[in-house]
Amino acid sequence: AQSVTQPDIHITVSEGASLELRCNYSYGATPYLFWYVQSPGQGLQLLLKYFSGDTLVQGIKGFEAEFKRSQSSFNLRKPSVHWSDAAEYFCAVSGGYQKVTFGTGTKLQVIP
Amino acid sequence: DTAVSQTPKYLVTQMGNDKSIKCEQNLGHDTMYWYKQDSKKFLKIMFSYNNKELIINETVPNRFSPKSPDKAHLNLHINSLELGDSAVYFCASRGTGTPTLAKNIQYFGAGTRLSVL
Repeated sequence: AQSVTQPDIHITVSEGASLELRCNYSYGATPYLFWYVQSPGQGLQLLLKYFSGDTLVQGIKGFEAEFKRSQSSFNLRKPSVHWSDAAEYFCAVSGGYQKVTFGTGTKLQVIP
Repeated sequence: DTAVSQTPKYLVTQMGNDKSIKCEQNLGHDTMYWYKQDSKKFLKIMFSYNNKELIINETVPNRFSPKSPDKAHLNLHINSLELGDSAVYFCASRGTGTPTLAKNIQYFGAGTRLSVL
């Protein structure tokens, strides 16, 4: 069965600081991996995805993520966080064309 | 022009009532989903339909019945609402392009916040 672990429930960073959100997945073959962002009261917006190829993927809003097969990880990074990045971030994995499994989310707080 | 739209956005109702949430997508996708997000933000899949056919049915009480009149619509009907049904319900649809392009990307609606009193 596929699963996703986001070990950090809540992260606080200062505006302008760098950010890394952790994601570990479990899947028997090559997974499809995603990061979604949910702003308060909103639906989920896709930040970036990994299907194959280059293990460093670029997304919207200046985010990037790196797929590391040996560590079963897909961590999300941003070099300089803006106050508008405060939101809930979800990592997700899909092994096929049907079910997508989400992690429990990491809430990002940005302080001035 | 919203890609995946849900109505209503908010729904407040009494225990025991029956209610429906509607979802429509204008992306031409074949597959649609319902997710439940609880108070701890945990997002759990409930159902998935592909071309009006049920393909995923997670462990959900049979008070919840999805209905897909066509591939652009997936409605969720809930009978005999209980306090524990209070949550945010998200509809999503999935792209149908090749795997390296659009397939597997889910597009979400803005959610329906259901409060059962």
